[in-house]
Amino acid sequence: EIVMTQSPATLSVSPGERATLSCRASQSVSSNLAWYQQRPGQAPRLLIYGASTRATGIPARFSGSGSGTEFTLTISSLQSEDFVVYYCQQYDNWPITFGQGTRLEIK
Amino acid sequence: EVQLVESGGGLVQPGGSLRLSCAASGFTFSSFEMNWVRQAPGKGLEWISYIGSNGSSIYYADSVKGRFTISRDNSKNSLYLQMNSLRAEDTAVYYCARGTVVVLWGQGTLVTVSS
Repeated sequence: EIVMTQSPATLSVSPGERATLSCRASQSVSSNLAWYQQRPGQAPRLLIYGASTRATGIPARFSGSGSGTEFTLTISSLQSEDFVVYYCQQYDNWPITFGQGTRLEIK
Repeated sequence: EVQLVESGGGLVQPGGSLRLSCAASGFTFSSFEMNWVRQAPGKGLEWISYIGSNGSSIYYADSVKGRFTISRDNSKNSLYLQMNSLRAEDTAVYYCARGTVVVLWGQGTLVTVSS
């Protein structure tokens, strides 16, 4: 099983600033990496797939990068609605696995 | 409207069984692979099962293998999860999810395993 490790667990950033979230895979997943956003009480929402492709309707302030084992989700100019939880997911190998999540909080 | 609607959750005793359903609408259900993903209270996401578009490929997470069975009925646009030998650690919101890169999620149904 590929273990996905997200860091940090909680990230404190001020509105309007940039946030950088990391995700590391225990072995290469190529570019088969997705990022999801989850608001309280809601289902997750796909932000990024293929490590760097924004999903339909996702604002340009969200960007993804990386390949192999190291990945980054960058949110530029944070808006109030961005302060929620983010998960990475690998879909290169079975079982599909998620990171444990990064909570973005207002500094 | 394109949507997935889960049903069948509830309170069940340890060792009991429950069958979850997911009704799909607004898209060609038979063309898509489907998954179940769960989330324990206050915890992260856990993928638990996959079924290919025609049901020929099926995978399970080790945590549910041998206890849970995924199935689908393309004529009814429905996905199912039969859960047997339930344990306290199976308590979670269960999401129906379209695709391995999940663009479409259901709203989730809560399963509580407790005596």
